[in-house]
Amino acid sequence: EAGVAQSPRYKIIEKRQSVAFWCNPISGHATLYWYQQILGQGPKLLIQFQNNGVVDDSQLPKDRFSAERLKGVDSTLKIQPAKLEDSAVYLCASSLYLEQYFGPGTRLTVT
Amino acid sequence: KQEVTQIPAALSVPEGENLVLNCSFTDSAIYNLQWFRQDPGKGLTSLLLIQSSQREQTSGRLNASLDKSSGRSTLYIAASQPGDSATYLCAVKKNNAGNMLTFGGGTRLMVKP
Repeated sequence: EAGVAQSPRYKIIEKRQSVAFWCNPISGHATLYWYQQILGQGPKLLIQFQNNGVVDDSQLPKDRFSAERLKGVDSTLKIQPAKLEDSAVYLCASSLYLEQYFGPGTRLTVT
Repeated sequence: KQEVTQIPAALSVPEGENLVLNCSFTDSAIYNLQWFRQDPGKGLTSLLLIQSSQREQTSGRLNASLDKSSGRSTLYIAASQPGDSATYLCAVKKNNAGNMLTFGGGTRLMVKP
């Protein structure tokens, strides 16, 4: 069974630029999550989708972050414009029932 | 608001030692608790999941316990090996709706040969 795929794996941008991350969940998993993990901290949930609908986006900074999951499969997370404090690893996870399966993450560095 | 704390933040032990990692949470109304392993540059791998009605789960050299009333969980690793070196994260799920996980900050474990 293929795992959760994410791209790119690494990204370096300057502040005020925009960036987008892509996630392909495990086939058949209805629920998809985006987490932000700042160095030395645990992951923090940004947004959760059930199929193509948003379940929870209470911790998503909506003035600069946006996410979509068209057709209930792949998802993209966008930051525009980026700030220095957005430097982190962005993890995507998917689940069918209880257990969440995580992708390798995208490491973003904002300079 | 649920807060999850892991102590210690970092731990270094010689190979072969038994060790305990600690996790505490402020709201005891949880649905389940999970322990994850994270290797550098990689995503999280689920190790053990304990439902709120359970007191412990075991997998190989790993044993996780849960004391919901006191808001604590421990991960016991027996006969540690250098391959166990990684960051260990615990996460709690509050209820069955939404499936949201709240993570601790992790314990970075180094097992020296």
